[in-house]
Amino acid sequence: ILNVEQSPQSLHVQEGDSTNFTCSFPSSNFYALHWYRWETAKSPEALFVMTLNGDEKKKGRISATLNTKEGYSYLYIKGSQPEDSATYLCAFHLNDYKLSFGAGTTVTVRA
Amino acid sequence: EAGVAQSPRYKIIEKRQSVAFWCNPISGHATLYWYQQILGQGPKLLIQFQNNGVVDDSQLPKDRFSAERLKGVDSTLKIQPAKLEDSAVYLCASSRLREEYYGYTFGSGTRLTVV
Repeated sequence: ILNVEQSPQSLHVQEGDSTNFTCSFPSSNFYALHWYRWETAKSPEALFVMTLNGDEKKKGRISATLNTKEGYSYLYIKGSQPEDSATYLCAFHLNDYKLSFGAGTTVTVRA
Repeated sequence: EAGVAQSPRYKIIEKRQSVAFWCNPISGHATLYWYQQILGQGPKLLIQFQNNGVVDDSQLPKDRFSAERLKGVDSTLKIQPAKLEDSAVYLCASSRLREEYYGYTFGSGTRLTVV
């Protein structure tokens, strides 16, 4: 069982402000890192799957970076909107089939 | 394409009772996963199927949990008897064979409360 740490556990951000949070994972035997967004009463939705050191991916106002050498990934939300309120999960792919999830960062956007 | 279907959405049972959850994955997805997410923790893999064979069930409490995947399509997860600590959201997910690079597709989960 791998230790995937996410911080902070929760955060509140004012509408229009930008924010970011971290996922830390073991740097050895890296295979892939996933980010999911999980809104209340909905299914977790895949945001990004990142495999290469230095990867940067973007989807609308949300972007992510990856550093496999030091074992961390950042997720950024630019100009937060109320619909960005959700729990953001990262998951580390050790081998070709098993994902280990972090506990998530819960983002609340205040209007 | 249709998403991963799960039922029921919510279930409340007393401890020592039995409960079953159902999952219908996306058509054509060879791999199916059951995850348990306890409040405040990340989802934990209980069992993974590839077609109708078990790939990994190392974290499945086999004295009370069982799962099967019928004809490589639908799957059921059963708890018998339930304990208070089984209260959690049970998530089903599926993916194409070796398409893990694109992420998993999750169902909306079953929230189980054991009282």
